[in-house]
Amino acid sequence: AQKVTQAQTEISVVEKEDVTLDCVYETRDTTYYLFWYKQPPSGELVFLIRRNSFDEQNEISGRYSWNFQKSTSSFNFTITASQVVDSAVYFCALVEHGSGNTGKLIFGQGTTLQVKP
Amino acid sequence: DAMVIQNPRYQVTQFGKPVTLSCSQTLNHNVMYWYQQKSSQAPKLLFHYYDKDFNNEADTPDNFQSRRPNTSFCFLDIRSPGLGDAAMYLCATSRQVSYEQYFGPGTRLTVT
Repeated sequence: AQKVTQAQTEISVVEKEDVTLDCVYETRDTTYYLFWYKQPPSGELVFLIRRNSFDEQNEISGRYSWNFQKSTSSFNFTITASQVVDSAVYFCALVEHGSGNTGKLIFGQGTTLQVKP
Repeated sequence: DAMVIQNPRYQVTQFGKPVTLSCSQTLNHNVMYWYQQKSSQAPKLLFHYYDKDFNNEADTPDNFQSRRPNTSFCFLDIRSPGLGDAAMYLCATSRQVSYEQYFGPGTRLTVT
């Protein structure tokens, strides 16, 4: 069965610290897609990244970077030099290509990141 | 410019009184989704449309219905809201299934 686990419920850091949010997934599909979304206090989910299962290249976008490792079924997210505006709930999610391919996002429980000034 | 718009942002309804939430998109995406999100939980998919094809999640209560009259608009109808239906309702769109979903700001529903 498909599942996404974000073991860190809450993380608190001081501004300018680096922080890594962990994500571990389970799926039997060989083709799948992984996502990260940010949900600030305003409530809107903001798309950050999509990765397909055949692309294990790490990605960097400004202060954000993602490490995808199929061997450990992990898709971790690192924020470098964190800022107060990074404070939000971050969701890791999985979409399986099979199972009727509905595009249903299987979300992790979310990690609440608090960045203190 | 907002690409996925939800109205209203806040809705108060009475127990048992039907309510409709609306979502519109300017992205011309094929797929539209409705999620329910309760406090401190991840969003839960209720149903989605691929073009005009409606797909209901197995555990979505019959109390929840949806309409998609055209590509741009999608509605969520709650026929008889209960106190347990108080939540944030999120609309999302996607060009194709398995592509990234773009979310609206949500409608926070209160049931009194």
